[in-house]
Amino acid sequence: DTGVSQNPRHKITKRGQNVTFRCDPISEHNRLYWYRQTLGQGPEFLTYFQNEAQLEKSRLLSDRFSAERPKGSFSTLEIQRTEQGDSAMYLCASSFVISGNTIYFGEGSWLTVV
Amino acid sequence: AQRVTQPEKLLSVFKGAPVELKCNYSYSGSPELFWYVQYSRQRLQLLLRHISRESIKGFTADLNKGETSFHLKKPFAQEEDSAMYYCALSGRGQFYFGTGTSLTVIP
Repeated sequence: DTGVSQNPRHKITKRGQNVTFRCDPISEHNRLYWYRQTLGQGPEFLTYFQNEAQLEKSRLLSDRFSAERPKGSFSTLEIQRTEQGDSAMYLCASSFVISGNTIYFGEGSWLTVV
Repeated sequence: AQRVTQPEKLLSVFKGAPVELKCNYSYSGSPELFWYVQYSRQRLQLLLRHISRESIKGFTADLNKGETSFHLKKPFAQEEDSAMYYCALSGRGQFYFGTGTSLTVIP
């Protein structure tokens, strides 16, 4: 499967713990996006990278959220000191900007904070 | 500020009836508009994009810049069209999504 891959698919954590999600984009895709989705809502844009550069991060929900893409390939999204309100689906998507703007999504990582 | 509005959260139509899912947007510039679909237990996937001006699975969408709309239409709904549909806007490298419309096609 050469699609966008995310793991873990499901994560249950206690309030106050840190969690990290990984996204492997489609190979050769130079843009990578992170979204959050809660029930009944559409994907909410968080941040995106072009290669290793994080071009927009003002929409990260708080300073507890951070994302990296150190070598311009896979990316990680970390949430520190999780809160119950962080429970959501975290989606990753990627695109190859030169060939058009279509983004391709992974299956998402479900986070439940108890 | 950029915004995508899908006024209907739920839409039910009978099989064979026409269907229209509404999408309005606001953006200061020239955005690209998309429709994404999510079938049960599947990932979000592209349905169509306005610059392609193509019909996918019988669906079409026309960008109306005057009304800032990008409604999705299909003349004859099929049961397999039941899914969640999201309108999306792309501008300056970012993608923004509406809240989605859940379409149910009644046999």
